[in-house]
Amino acid sequence: GQQVMQIPQYQHVQEGEDFTTYCNSSTTLSNIQWYKQRPGGHPVFLIQLVKSGEVKKQKRLTFQFGEAKKNSSLHITATQTTDVGTYFCAYTGTASKLTFGTGTRLQVTL
Amino acid sequence: NAGVTQTPKFQVLKTGQSMTLQCAQDMNHNSMYWYRQDPGMGLRLIYYSASEGTTDKGEVPNGYNVSRLNKREFSLRLESAAPSQTSVYFCASSVGGGGYEQYFGPGTRLTVT
Repeated sequence: GQQVMQIPQYQHVQEGEDFTTYCNSSTTLSNIQWYKQRPGGHPVFLIQLVKSGEVKKQKRLTFQFGEAKKNSSLHITATQTTDVGTYFCAYTGTASKLTFGTGTRLQVTL
Repeated sequence: NAGVTQTPKFQVLKTGQSMTLQCAQDMNHNSMYWYRQDPGMGLRLIYYSASEGTTDKGEVPNGYNVSRLNKREFSLRLESAAPSQTSVYFCASSVGGGGYEQYFGPGTRLTVT
């Protein structure tokens, strides 16, 4: 079956450093979504990628979908304490259901 | 516009007790979902309703039942709670199935002792 690995599980950076999380699949994905969950909060949709090689930017966040549509990344430039949280990738699998990765927890310290 | 609302926010149950988690959305979305979130496990789909009048099992449906009461409301019932059901439960909704962004409620933190 389709399997998606999200790495790393956890990353601790100092404010101002960059951060990247990766979502890797063993099979081709039709699309990929990214969500952010603040500590104690609920997941909030960030973006969806559907095209091979697609790159989208939101301020300091850059999202990429691989050429083979088997991997995706979220890169944050110059992290801030407001970036703290868990970042999840999610993809549409069988029966049009969304399946979430296990998430990357980001901790940012001053 | 409240978005997705869930009640209760917190609940403590004893093993064997039953309860219903309520969810409502005011965005006129067709699809609704119930997830559970355990530490290190991400979000796992329990049940979903692609449209009013339909429900389907997700990845972890055992021990749960659902009702899509109308287009706005989707409830999750635990008939006989077990400690393994201690988790945070999130309801979500979307315009349609996969490929559409999902909007999540604030969650219900359930502890079963």
